Amino acid sequence: EAGVTQFPSHSVIEKGQTVTLRCDPISGHDNLYWYRRVMGKEIKFLLHFVKESKQDESGMPNNRFLAERTGGTYSTLKVQPAELEDSGVYFCASSQGDRTGKNEQYFGPGTRLTVT
Amino acid sequence: DAKTTQPPSMDCAEGRAANLPCNHSTISGNEYVYWYRQIHSQGPQYIIHGLKNNETNEMASLIITEDRKSSTLILPHATLRDTAVYYCIVRRSNTGTASKLTFGTGTRLQVTL
Repeated sequence: EAGVTQFPSHSVIEKGQTVTLRCDPISGHDNLYWYRRVMGKEIKFLLHFVKESKQDESGMPNNRFLAERTGGTYSTLKVQPAELEDSGVYFCASSQGDRTGKNEQYFGPGTRLTVT
Repeated sequence: DAKTTQPPSMDCAEGRAANLPCNHSTISGNEYVYWYRQIHSQGPQYIIHGLKNNETNEMASLIITEDRKSSTLILPHATLRDTAVYYCIVRRSNTGTASKLTFGTGTRLQVTL
């Protein structure tokens, strides 16, 4: 079974540019999460999708960040315009639906974003 | 979710058991204890979780004290590949808005020859 995949693995952009990160969850997982670790800080929750709906977006830092999950499959996280403080590693995780009782989150390898 | 306290770092000799402690003195009755780890440059990896009873799987054992105020993750035979940051996370539920994970600073486990 394929795990959570993320693309790209690394992105370097200039301040003010736009970047879109993609996450493909494990097939059949209804729950999809985005987290990030900025330099020297702890891993922080950004938001949670259940299928295509945003369940919790309390961790989104500001309106420069837009997450989508059209059709309830893969998700994208767009940063527009990027700022220096957005640099860090962005992780995606997925878990099965509640009805199965299996809700451990499986993480992807992350996308390292560098804003210069 | 309850706050957890872990030692910042620990060392363990390869082949020996690694015992990683976690304090969660404010845990509520419906909160689970989860353990994840992050090996350098990889995404966090689920290890084990429990509510009240001790748990064991192919990776580790989780010992939760009777009062649930602390727990210990045990890696029975640590290998160099177990070198990672280990996170103890207390979470109220698997569902809805309570399902997000709140990571602390964790314990950096160094397994040595």
